[in-house]
Amino acid sequence: DAGVIQSPRHEVTEMGQEVTLRCKPISGHDYLFWYRQTMMRGLELLIYFNNNVPIDDSGMPEDRFSAKMPNASFSTLKIQPSEPRDSAVYFCASSGAGSDTQYFGPGTRLTVL
Amino acid sequence: RKEVEQDPGPFNVPEGATVAFNCTYSNSASQSFFWYRQDCRKEPKLLMSVYSSGNEDGRFTAQLNRASQYISLLIRDSKLSDSATYLCVVDTYSGAGSYQLTFGKGTKLSVIP
Repeated sequence: DAGVIQSPRHEVTEMGQEVTLRCKPISGHDYLFWYRQTMMRGLELLIYFNNNVPIDDSGMPEDRFSAKMPNASFSTLKIQPSEPRDSAVYFCASSGAGSDTQYFGPGTRLTVL
Repeated sequence: RKEVEQDPGPFNVPEGATVAFNCTYSNSASQSFFWYRQDCRKEPKLLMSVYSSGNEDGRFTAQLNRASQYISLLIRDSKLSDSATYLCVVDTYSGAGSYQLTFGKGTKLSVIP
């Protein structure tokens, strides 16, 4: 089975540009999570969905960040406009109902110049 | 107080050594506990869950002390392939069917030939 798929794997952009990160969870998983990892702050939960519905977005840093899950097999995390401090690795993870185990995608390494 | 605290290390140990990592968590309502492993520039992956009675998986032993809000991971007979960052993870129920994983910043282990 394919694991969690994320694209792009690397993104370099200039400050002020819009960035869209994409995620395909493991088929059949009900939960989808977006995380951000930096050296300073570690791994932080940004938002998560249950059955395509956002449950908790308290970790989204500010209005520049938005996430959608239009169907069970696709989610996006958008940053508009991007800033250098958004540079980080963004992970998507999914888990099945009744399971505590989260399966992470390979991440998107974002650099904002 | 941080929700999940770990010694960042690095722990540099020779092959064959036994090494132990500790972790404390602040939320006494936390329900489930895990150790995840993260290799350099890779995604986190579940290493093992931590049960109240303690559990063992080959060379790895995890312990939980709810009274002290303390989790440990013991690695016996260290291998070069054990070199990674070990993330302590706590799952807390936050209401309305919502669970959230909180990650420590990780402890870096380097096993030296």
